[in-house]
Amino acid sequence: EVQLVESGGGLVQPGGSLRLSCSASGFTFSSYAMHWVRQAPGKGLEYVSAISSNGGSTYYADSVKGRFTISRDNSKNTLYLQMSSLRAEDTAVYYCVKDRGVGSPEYYFDYWGQGTLVTVSS
Amino acid sequence: DIQMTQSPSSLSASVGDRVTITCQASQDISNYLNWYQQKPGKAPKLLIYDASNLETGVPSRFSGSGSGTDFTFTISSLQPEDIATYYCQQYDNPTTFGPGTKVDIK
Repeated sequence: EVQLVESGGGLVQPGGSLRLSCSASGFTFSSYAMHWVRQAPGKGLEYVSAISSNGGSTYYADSVKGRFTISRDNSKNTLYLQMSSLRAEDTAVYYCVKDRGVGSPEYYFDYWGQGTLVTVSS
Repeated sequence: DIQMTQSPSSLSASVGDRVTITCQASQDISNYLNWYQQKPGKAPKLLIYDASNLETGVPSRFSGSGSGTDFTFTISSLQPEDIATYYCQQYDNPTTFGPGTKVDIK
């Protein structure tokens, strides 16, 4: 069974930093592209970032480009999202998402974690 | 960027009713469209992929159709457990979600 478990969320002040982690199991993590998708309270889904299976290729939404960094450690079956220069508008539940695609992202989301809440507030 | 619109933004229907949601892309996306269901407090779940293919384990009362810019999602007979928000998502270039349609029971 595919499992994605996010951690690292919490309350952070504007301008601060936070690192999210996603522990994956139930599939060959190193074979699949992975993503982060977020959802502000009471709002819709917003795409954040993608990473290829070997970590060699990444993609960022314009809203986070230059502030967020996606990475992965295939030896630990873990996906990361390093967030810096955080703003109030980054407040959201952040979901770790598995891609159907082997290797490069296909942006086809077949499994989602339960999410971790990030709150940016003073 | 490809923009996605959905209508209606919300609807209320009776158990057993046929429910239809439409999704429109701002440019041709072929059949690169998925539909997700999100129940309150839960993560989204993939229901339909490539516009019309039912994900494994999803009840057959859910269906999707369309190509190009216009797509339709249908629940043939609404059930109480279908109360959720439904999102379309294009993955042609690279990806965008629609704003969602909230479905309630009348």
